Amino acid sequence: AQSVTQPDIHITVSEGASLELRCNYSYGATPYLFWYVQSPGQGLQLLLKYFSGDTLVQGIKGFEAEFKRSQSSFNLRKPSVHWSDAAEYFCAVKAAGNKLTFGGGTRVLVKP
Amino acid sequence: NAGVTQTPKFQVLKTGQSMTLQCAQDMNHEYMSWYRQDPGMGLRLIHYSVGAGITDQGEVPNGYNVSRSTTEDFPLRLLSAAPSQTSVYFCASSLDRGHEQFFGPGTRLTVL
Repeated sequence: AQSVTQPDIHITVSEGASLELRCNYSYGATPYLFWYVQSPGQGLQLLLKYFSGDTLVQGIKGFEAEFKRSQSSFNLRKPSVHWSDAAEYFCAVKAAGNKLTFGGGTRVLVKP
Repeated sequence: NAGVTQTPKFQVLKTGQSMTLQCAQDMNHEYMSWYRQDPGMGLRLIHYSVGAGITDQGEVPNGYNVSRSTTEDFPLRLLSAAPSQTSVYFCASSLDRGHEQFFGPGTRLTVL
């Protein structure tokens, strides 16, 4: 069965600094990979997804992620964070059928 | 186009009570899913449906029932609520297995 690990539970970053969130997955074949963001009290919003092709994926809100098959990773990056990026971020993998498996999430705090 | 809607937004139950969480989508999506979100555990799949009349269990199905009589609706039933079911519940839908899932705003359930 597939699994997703987000090693960092909390990350604190200064406004304007770069951000990288780690995601490692376990799955036998090439999965569909997703990053979602959840603002406080809200549902999940899709930031970006990888199905195939170019391993560097651009998403909304200035985020990008890179799929590295050799490392089973799909890390999320943003060059310069804004205070509005404070939220919880979830990496997810979709394998058999339409089942999404989520990581435990990384909460991002942005310092002024 | 309302997307995925969930009712109620908040609910408090006593142990042993039953209730139904409602989920509806107006995007003509075949796939619908229910997740629960608990701190540090990401989202875990409860039940899912690949189309009207077809449902299947996810990762944590015990204590929950679902049915899918129409494409639009996918209610989640708690037969006898337990404190361990205190959680935030999200419904999601997608066009098919190759597409992203759209999430509802969630229902926050507390079982006393």
